[in-house]
Amino acid sequence: SQTIHQWPATLVQPVGSPLSLECTVEGTSNPNLYWYRQAAGRGLQLLFYSVGIGQISSEVPQNLSASRPQDRQFILSSKKLLLSDSGFYLCAWSVLGPYGYTFGSGTRLTVV
Amino acid sequence: SQQGEEDPQALSIQEGENATMNCSYKTSINNLQWYRQNSGRGLVHLILIRSNEREKHSGRLRVTLDTSKKSSSLLITASRAADTASYFCATVPRGGGNKLTFGTGTQLKVEL
Repeated sequence: SQTIHQWPATLVQPVGSPLSLECTVEGTSNPNLYWYRQAAGRGLQLLFYSVGIGQISSEVPQNLSASRPQDRQFILSSKKLLLSDSGFYLCAWSVLGPYGYTFGSGTRLTVV
Repeated sequence: SQQGEEDPQALSIQEGENATMNCSYKTSINNLQWYRQNSGRGLVHLILIRSNEREKHSGRLRVTLDTSKKSSSLLITASRAADTASYFCATVPRGGGNKLTFGTGTQLKVEL
């Protein structure tokens, strides 16, 4: 069966510290992978998406970067966190065609 | 940027009543999807309706799509307390690959 793992669930980091959030997918090959951020009480904003290993598209200019070192691994990083990076980060995968996304359980990041 | 706007932002009903949520979007689409999010959790895909479809059913869910008005509605019949969650519409734009753009969501509360 297809599953998606995202960790950690909760993270509190000081301003200026680095960040690494990892997402892995099981049970599917060559998925499209996505990182979204959700501000409190708001909709989801697409940050990055990837259609293959090493292929990253950024949707908004920001303090974050993404990498896809393996087919089913997607990493969200920052060298120096800002207060405005706080939020709920969600990883998702999909396949091409009229199918829905499968989301991970999310990471709540608080930058203090 | 947000493609869709849900209406209402919040909805409170009694168990057994029907809940209707509306979504408007701006650009031509390939398909429109509805997702559910329980507080602090990831999103769960509920239903997908293609641009050439006008209505779709899944269990207690009924989705309509009016591409001339660029709008969709989600009806939950005979609501239950367990339906309490946030509901988001999301669109895949025509010619926009498989990237989902989410609306701002409707918070539904079903009271006993």
